[in-house]
Amino acid sequence: DSGVTQTPKHLITATGQRVTLRCSPRSGDLSVYWYQQSLDQGLQFLIQYYNGEERAKGNILERFSAQQFPDLHSELNLSSLELGDSALYFCASSPGASLSDNSPLHFGNGTRLTVT
Amino acid sequence: EDKVVQSPLSLVVHEGDTVTLNCSYEVTNFRSLLWYKQEKKAPTFLFMLTSSGIEKKSGRLSSILDKKELFSILNITATQTGDSAVYLCAVDTGNQFYFGTGTSLTVIP
Repeated sequence: DSGVTQTPKHLITATGQRVTLRCSPRSGDLSVYWYQQSLDQGLQFLIQYYNGEERAKGNILERFSAQQFPDLHSELNLSSLELGDSALYFCASSPGASLSDNSPLHFGNGTRLTVT
Repeated sequence: EDKVVQSPLSLVVHEGDTVTLNCSYEVTNFRSLLWYKQEKKAPTFLFMLTSSGIEKKSGRLSSILDKKELFSILNITATQTGDSAVYLCAVDTGNQFYFGTGTSLTVIP
């Protein structure tokens, strides 16, 4: 068990809808990262938050947004969903702000989103 | 553009075989290379490599980095069915981790 908790495990929704994915980092970790993993695709970095502030941004669509709350849990909001958004969404956490801390990411079990 | 390429995409071996997985990278700023094992759920951390030529070992798994040729290999000896998984390589550039698409390993009894 990595200590990173993601809910829900599975989510099935229709096109055009909006969903919220939730992540609680490991105790003591201040950074939260979101990744998207589609079929036959590697893990695609979406966004990173550190201690409540956006730290780095990857290939995140404008229809997607995220935030990190004072208790350090994070939510990823996906709106106007399209079939192509179907994927496994992972959250990961690490202790530090900068990845130069050389601390490996610890991943949650992911949320599988299916858009029908 | 920063990228990480893994090969082969997949392989199937018999129990007891030895396998070598490859990861090559092209990034503007290299800090470390990491290997993860992904079974059906979360990727789990295996190794972090920062220096060339120093082998990291954990049981039947070992890995080494070549910063001159920009690649790493992950070796698994005496494979077992429990080694069946997708093995992911990632490079830490300081700004983010770039992941390869993974190598799918299937070990047949």
